[in-house]
Amino acid sequence: DAGITQSPRYKITETGRQVTLMCHQTWSHSYMFWYRQDLGHGLRLIYYSAAADITDKGEVPDGYVVSRSKTENFPLTLESATRSQTSVYFCASSVREETQYFGPGTRLLVL
Amino acid sequence: QQQVKQSPQSLIVQKGGISIINCAYENTAFDYFPWYQQFPGKGPALLIAIRPDVSEKKEGRFTISFNKSAKQFSLHIMDSQPGDSATYFCAAIIYNFNKFYFGSGTKLNVKP
Repeated sequence: DAGITQSPRYKITETGRQVTLMCHQTWSHSYMFWYRQDLGHGLRLIYYSAAADITDKGEVPDGYVVSRSKTENFPLTLESATRSQTSVYFCASSVREETQYFGPGTRLLVL
Repeated sequence: QQQVKQSPQSLIVQKGGISIINCAYENTAFDYFPWYQQFPGKGPALLIAIRPDVSEKKEGRFTISFNKSAKQFSLHIMDSQPGDSATYFCAAIIYNFNKFYFGSGTKLNVKP
């Protein structure tokens, strides 16, 4: 009964490095989402996926890449990390667009 | 431009009191308005949600009031308890265009 998991939970990296955040869900939900959470901005959608091999941009996609080859996995890659990408990242999944179930989050610090 | 404006940023309420958090939006195309509750170190969790054809929805101590003409909706927490202390986010969703927007959050502190 794992639900939705994220790894790593904490990550420190340096400017310019590539970082991949993992998201895995055991419910076979069609939809998966990546959000970033910053003080004063709430949650902002980075990318979402309606099904395997179908992804689309959200509100703040620049600097991020996603893929979804399997229904249960939705990795988020920062191609060349910048300090402005320091944030808490949440993955979520849902059967439809409505009730989203969130993972525990990944705290990322870019030095 | 923030699609969903949430207020207040923080709220202190005495145990047993009513907590009220407000959200406003401009886009009349929104189909669904959920509220999420988030405890420190955890991901948000769906608390209650409403569709724009309904003016009020109640689940236990939590009520959403929806004013379509004013483009506003609010969360009311009756008989607030210290265990309700958390950050609350409103959100708005457009189904067909897959648009998902969250408010900036309200940190609620219920004092015993």
